[in-house]
Amino acid sequence: GQQVMQIPQYQHVQEGEDFTTYCNSSTTLSNIQWYKQRPGGHPVFLIQLVKSGEVKKQKRLTFQFGEAKKNSSLHITATQTTDVGTYFCAGLNSGGYQKVTFGTGTKLQVIP
Amino acid sequence: NAGVMQNPRHLVRRRGQEARLRCSPMKGHSHVYWYRQLPEEGLKFMVYLQKENIIDESGMPKERFSAEFPKEGPSILRIQQVVRGDSAAYFCASSSGRGQRSYNEQFFGPGTRLTVL
Repeated sequence: GQQVMQIPQYQHVQEGEDFTTYCNSSTTLSNIQWYKQRPGGHPVFLIQLVKSGEVKKQKRLTFQFGEAKKNSSLHITATQTTDVGTYFCAGLNSGGYQKVTFGTGTKLQVIP
Repeated sequence: NAGVMQNPRHLVRRRGQEARLRCSPMKGHSHVYWYRQLPEEGLKFMVYLQKENIIDESGMPKERFSAEFPKEGPSILRIQQVVRGDSAAYFCASSSGRGQRSYNEQFFGPGTRLTVL
């Protein structure tokens, strides 16, 4: 079945440093979504990418969808303590109904 | 417009008892998903339902677990004869399902933390 892996699993950064998490799918995706889960909270939708090579920005966050639609990345510029949490990508497949497969997640810790 | 509601927020059961988890999707949403999350781990898909239909239950254990989404009322995830390994956070999410290729944003509920003693 479809697998979606993320690296790294954990990342500690000093406040102000940049952070990137990478998402790789075993199959070609229709869309990719990104979610953020704060400690003790629930996942919250951040963005969806649809087109091959698409790049979207939300303030300090930059999301990219690979040309082959099998990988994606999330880059945070100048991290802040409010960025702490686990970031999940979620891949939507191309066939049948759009099943969502969540990635393994990257847990970000920001040191003040 | 209320978000996804889940209750109870915390549930404690002894081994062998039954656990019933409820999820009310956002108003207008007819697609419901259930996920399980163990501490420090990712979200594991369990089941996807539309009103009165199970679309995909490939992530749900064959025994002891069942889910429904009746025409009226919330979606229910039922775990019979719970064991310690069932202790986890169970999240429900809903989506509108409209414009399939362009939507499917999932709105998550606050989760039910199940503890099996």
